[in-house]
Amino acid sequence: TQLLEQSPQFLSIQEGENLTVYCNSSSVFSSLQWYRQEPGEGPVLLVTVVTGGEVKKLKRLTFQFGDARKDSSLHITAAQPGDTGLYLCAGEGLDMRFGAGTRLTVKP
Amino acid sequence: NAGVMQNPRHLVRRRGQEARLRCSPMKGHSHVYWYRQLPEEGLKFMVYLQKENIIDESGMPKERFSAEFPKEGPSILRIQQVVRGDSAAYFCASSLKANTEAFFGQGTRLTVV
Repeated sequence: TQLLEQSPQFLSIQEGENLTVYCNSSSVFSSLQWYRQEPGEGPVLLVTVVTGGEVKKLKRLTFQFGDARKDSSLHITAAQPGDTGLYLCAGEGLDMRFGAGTRLTVKP
Repeated sequence: NAGVMQNPRHLVRRRGQEARLRCSPMKGHSHVYWYRQLPEEGLKFMVYLQKENIIDESGMPKERFSAEFPKEGPSILRIQQVVRGDSAAYFCASSLKANTEAFFGQGTRLTVV
């Protein structure tokens, strides 16, 4: 049973397009983190969201934590090839178990 | 402040040999997590350790695999009598607080021939 459901599993878009990926659960989290893993590297922490309804921006990336703190979304504006990677979410309290991830490919 | 250090980066073992993967957490971090990743797949949780204690090993196979995080020195993931199916990238991460905001090493890529 996957405690964190991420969708879509795969996403391939052209440079300049916008996209949103999702992380959903039936559990409530005190915080949730997003990570990005580039090919051949370890995942890198992008952001932690803590408050229900919270929105955090990191340049072209916008992270939102659901009001009920069960889900989160990541929106990327004007995607670039450098955004290519595996996007993972993790909820606090799950012994650092991750969702299966969204594998994003941005084509030039 | 050095990040999480894993070594070796690449490890080749023949079937039946032992593989020892090392992970030095970030300074001050006492929580360590190990993951396995196959190509084009996500991170599969294996084990969570906190100095000298195994907190959660539910993701680790009961046979041939073991992990430790001694009071002094790095965390070790040990795979005995390796088989071809053990070939994967193994990542470790550490955190300051339990279960949140982990920082990852660059992984050890194990190839069993």
